[in-house]
Amino acid sequence: EDQVTQSPEALRLQEGESSSLNCSYTVSGLRGLFWYRQDPGKGPEFLFTLYSAGEEKEKERLKATLTKKESFLHITAPKPEDSATYLCAVQASGGYNKLIFGAGTRLAVHP
Amino acid sequence: EAGVTQSPTHLIKTRGQQATLRCSPISGHTSVYWYQQALGLGLQFLLWYDEGEERNRGNFPPRFSGRQFPNYSSELNVNALELEDSALYLCASSLGDVTEGETQYFGPGTRLLVL
Repeated sequence: EDQVTQSPEALRLQEGESSSLNCSYTVSGLRGLFWYRQDPGKGPEFLFTLYSAGEEKEKERLKATLTKKESFLHITAPKPEDSATYLCAVQASGGYNKLIFGAGTRLAVHP
Repeated sequence: EAGVTQSPTHLIKTRGQQATLRCSPISGHTSVYWYQQALGLGLQFLLWYDEGEERNRGNFPPRFSGRQFPNYSSELNVNALELEDSALYLCASSLGDVTEGETQYFGPGTRLLVL
């Protein structure tokens, strides 16, 4: 069964304290791995799409990497406005486009 | 460029009633997806529509249904509402290319409360 597990469930950082979020997945053929950011009561905001092991993408203070079993979202020198829930999702082969989401990591960055 | 839009933003219904939620995709996108995000639970896939056809549905009862219109907008209908249907309902859209993993862009959601 296709599955996504995110860790930690919650993370508290001081402003400027870099860290990484983990997304482990088991899927029958990976078509894509996606990272989203979600603020309370709002829809997920797209961050990155990764397709194959070894791929990396960057955007401002965020960098996403992908291996054959997991993905990391690295946050460098975070600011309070980076506080949100970060969601990881995978799309499996088989012709269906549904996303399988992890439970998310709640990030709180304090000044 | 306008993003995915959803209406209404909030909806309050009583148990047994029907709810209708609406979604307009990003211009040029032909695929529309519906997800449910119940309190304390992750996003669960509900339905996928492309070119007016239902392509896939998640593990939800038949009282969850929908349709896609010729302009690619979509409607989600929930019949015989139950208390546990209270959730944030999210619509997403994508270009509809099934040859590789393609990005889905989400709307702001409709918060449904069943009393």
